[in-house]
Amino acid sequence: GDSVTQTEGLVTVTEGLPVMLNCTYQTAYSDVAFFWYVQYLNEAPKLLLRSSTDNKRTEHQGFHATLHKSSSSFHLQKSSVQLSDSALYYCALPRGNTGKLIFGLGTTLQVQP
Amino acid sequence: AQTIHQWPVAEIKAVGSPLSLGCTIKGKSSPNLYWYWQATGGTLQQLFYSITVGQVESVVQLNLSASRPKDDQFILSTEKLLLSHSGFYLCAWRGTMNERLFFGHGTKLSVL
Repeated sequence: GDSVTQTEGLVTVTEGLPVMLNCTYQTAYSDVAFFWYVQYLNEAPKLLLRSSTDNKRTEHQGFHATLHKSSSSFHLQKSSVQLSDSALYYCALPRGNTGKLIFGLGTTLQVQP
Repeated sequence: AQTIHQWPVAEIKAVGSPLSLGCTIKGKSSPNLYWYWQATGGTLQQLFYSITVGQVESVVQLNLSASRPKDDQFILSTEKLLLSHSGFYLCAWRGTMNERLFFGHGTKLSVL
């Protein structure tokens, strides 16, 4: 069945350094969009990035991700993290032509000074 | 513009007491509606979704139920709260399959 995998539960990075948060997926559907959501402490998740185009880089708020259908991946990257980037990051994809939306388990990004 | 409103913002309840959380979406007809739950320090878990009035699909069994009495309203409830029900409840909507989710501000539930 369809699934989203985020392998890291916690990623700790020093401010100013780059980071990559992994997301891989499994879906039987070819024409779907993929999402990254960010959730700050005590807040609701907010959309960070969205993509449905293979091999096209999508950017927002300094983060970028490229959907690679060949490797079933949609990793989130940033070249220089800031303290304010500390949050929980979710990768998500719609589950076929139903109302369901699948979230990964989430990766907590902890940026330290 | 579409708006999503959740109520209450926070709730402190006793074990065994009933619960009702509400969510309304304005400015969007026939939205897909969702309830998510997040334990403190935990991940998002989809509880229910509804694509039309009167129809609700359960994704995770947590001794909760959901109903969609109107096109713009989604209710989460239980007759008897458990300690394990504590957490953050999020209502969300989206239009079509590949559209983003719009989240409400959430309800923080503490069961004591």
